[in-house]
Amino acid sequence: SQTIHQWPATLVQPVGSPLSLECTVEGTSNPNLYWYRQAAGRGLQLLFYSVGIGQISSEVPQNLSASRPQDRQFILSSKKLLLSDSGFYLCAWSVSTNYGYTFGSGTRLTVV
Amino acid sequence: AQSVTQLDSQVPVFEEAPVELRCNYSSSVSVYLFWYVQYPNQGLQLLLKYLSGSTLVESINGFEAEFNKSQTSFHLRKPSVHISDTAEYFCAVSDLFSSNTGKLIFGQGTTLQVKP
Repeated sequence: SQTIHQWPATLVQPVGSPLSLECTVEGTSNPNLYWYRQAAGRGLQLLFYSVGIGQISSEVPQNLSASRPQDRQFILSSKKLLLSDSGFYLCAWSVSTNYGYTFGSGTRLTVV
Repeated sequence: AQSVTQLDSQVPVFEEAPVELRCNYSSSVSVYLFWYVQYPNQGLQLLLKYLSGSTLVESINGFEAEFNKSQTSFHLRKPSVHISDTAEYFCAVSDLFSSNTGKLIFGQGTTLQVKP
């Protein structure tokens, strides 16, 4: 069966520090992968998506970047965190629009 | 461009009462519609979806949603809610142009608060 792993679950980082969040998918090949951010009291904002290895599309200009070094691995990074980067980060995968998404359990990032 | 509007940010309701969570979308092409549920500090789980065919779709836990093309709506309903239904609910839309990428556009979410 397909599973998605996202870690860490919580993270507290100082302003200006780097960030690396990892997401891996098991049990499927060539998934579409997504990073969303959910700020307090707000909806989900699509940050990045990827339809294949090395293919990254950015939805909004920001302080973050994403990479897909392997078929089922999706990494969200930042060189220097800002206070505004705080939020709940969700990774998701899909094989087609019909099936919708399967979400990871999320990472709560607090930048202090 | 697609967009999704969830008209209510919070919906308080008493246990065993009916509830409706409203969702409207804008798109110039055929769409797929989804409802997701998020319990505190967890990821989102798919509740139900409309792809084609019958405009009324149901979930296993008693929720249902009806696709209304003329009103561009996909409201979520449950005839009798339980305390355990307390969660945040997200409506999402995708269209055929996004079929390769599978991108979903989400609404802002509605917090359902079920009171005893």
